[in-house]
Amino acid sequence: QTVVTQEPSFSVSPGGTVTLTCGLSSGSVSTSYYPSWYQQTPGQAPRTLVYNTDTRSSGVPDRFSGSILGNKAALTITGAQAEDESDYHCLLYMDSGIWVFGGGTKLTVL
Amino acid sequence: EVQLVASGGGLVQSGGSLRLSCAASGFTFSSYWMHWVRQAPGKGLEWVSCIKSDYSTTYADSVKGRFTISRDNAKNTLYLQVNSLRDEDTAVYYCARDLAYTFDYWGQGTHVTVSS
Repeated sequence: QTVVTQEPSFSVSPGGTVTLTCGLSSGSVSTSYYPSWYQQTPGQAPRTLVYNTDTRSSGVPDRFSGSILGNKAALTITGAQAEDESDYHCLLYMDSGIWVFGGGTKLTVL
Repeated sequence: EVQLVASGGGLVQSGGSLRLSCAASGFTFSSYWMHWVRQAPGKGLEWVSCIKSDYSTTYADSVKGRFTISRDNAKNTLYLQVNSLRDEDTAVYYCARDLAYTFDYWGQGTHVTVSS
């Protein structure tokens, strides 16, 4: 069974840059997996940040950007702000109509 | 404005059943694939099921054979029939709209608690 991997936690200083990654237990992530990224604060529904690897959702600040870095999908926050402290989830489309989320990354801004 | 309003959750005994609903508005419901996603307490998100605009369906292995996704385009409503519930099905269940193999709009979630 394919496992989607994310860093369990990450820390960034205010104004700093952080890159979260989304990989596969076996193989490389490519644009064919249509990687997407979601932000979630406690008690709230997820919010879509980036889809189709690098397309920002409407209203998402341009400090959030998506890409493929090496064999993983990546979400980079450039100029992190206090309100970016959240859980971040990546999602991959596995073909055959199956989607798989990563375990999520808890981002701390301090 | 796109809105997805999930309902139907509650407290149910192990082995029991529920039908979750998701009322959609603000878009042409029949044209979109729709999904159910769940989140167990303190855990990450888990994709559960998808129904395409042609009514074809797919499921995560963890729910296959127990859960059934359906849609009523006349009522702009998505459903999830959840049967043979287990403790590990306790979660917040979200409905979400599909856009290019991603989820662009999410409902607020409905809580399902399975008690043994």
